[in-house]
Amino acid sequence: EAQVTQNPRYLITVTGKKLTVTCSQNMNHEYMSWYRQDPGLGLRQIYYSMNVEVTDKGDVPEGYKVSRKEKRNFPLILESPSPNQTSLYFCASSLLTARGTDTQYFGPGTRLTVL
Amino acid sequence: EDQVTQSPEALRLQEGESSSLNCSYTVSGLRGLFWYRQDPGKGPEFLFTLYSAGEEKEKERLKATLTKKESFLHITAPKPEDSATYLCAVLEETSGSRLTFGEGTQLTVNP
Repeated sequence: EAQVTQNPRYLITVTGKKLTVTCSQNMNHEYMSWYRQDPGLGLRQIYYSMNVEVTDKGDVPEGYKVSRKEKRNFPLILESPSPNQTSLYFCASSLLTARGTDTQYFGPGTRLTVL
Repeated sequence: EDQVTQSPEALRLQEGESSSLNCSYTVSGLRGLFWYRQDPGKGPEFLFTLYSAGEEKEKERLKATLTKKESFLHITAPKPEDSATYLCAVLEETSGSRLTFGEGTQLTVNP
């Protein structure tokens, strides 16, 4: 089954404790992206990657890091989480066409709480 | 700046009562408009992609249409299982990969 998977699905942590949320896709998509979703603010892009070793900032990159060492994986790293990073996080992937990305497919989400 | 506005914010229907959700957008050039369904606490589930004005797509009780300024998601004879938040997103011609989402319409269908 074609899908985007994320782990963990739920995470409660404390301020300053480094964490990584993994994302993997089995559709051979070049493009991958991370979003956060907050009430009243909708979905906002954190980082994206157009291919292996190519990453770039989205709208809200502060406090986050990413890496793209393999085509299928795109982990999100919070080096020193803070309470304002409490949110619902989604990973997405898409094929790349000559004009850019097309339909993005989303993972099931990771609910993160930072105390 | 690209803008996507969805209306209404919330909609309550009786089972079988057809209606439409609206997504209006302001972009310099549209490359694609996407509809997603999202259940509480879950990831957006892809429904439709529309590329040009006049295009229509259907899936079960849902039909999406596109004009130069807006898109409609028509729901015919909805069932309680259609209850969800419906998200609209646009991809602008020169953005490459930037997907701009609307705030969504929360649909509740009562039995």
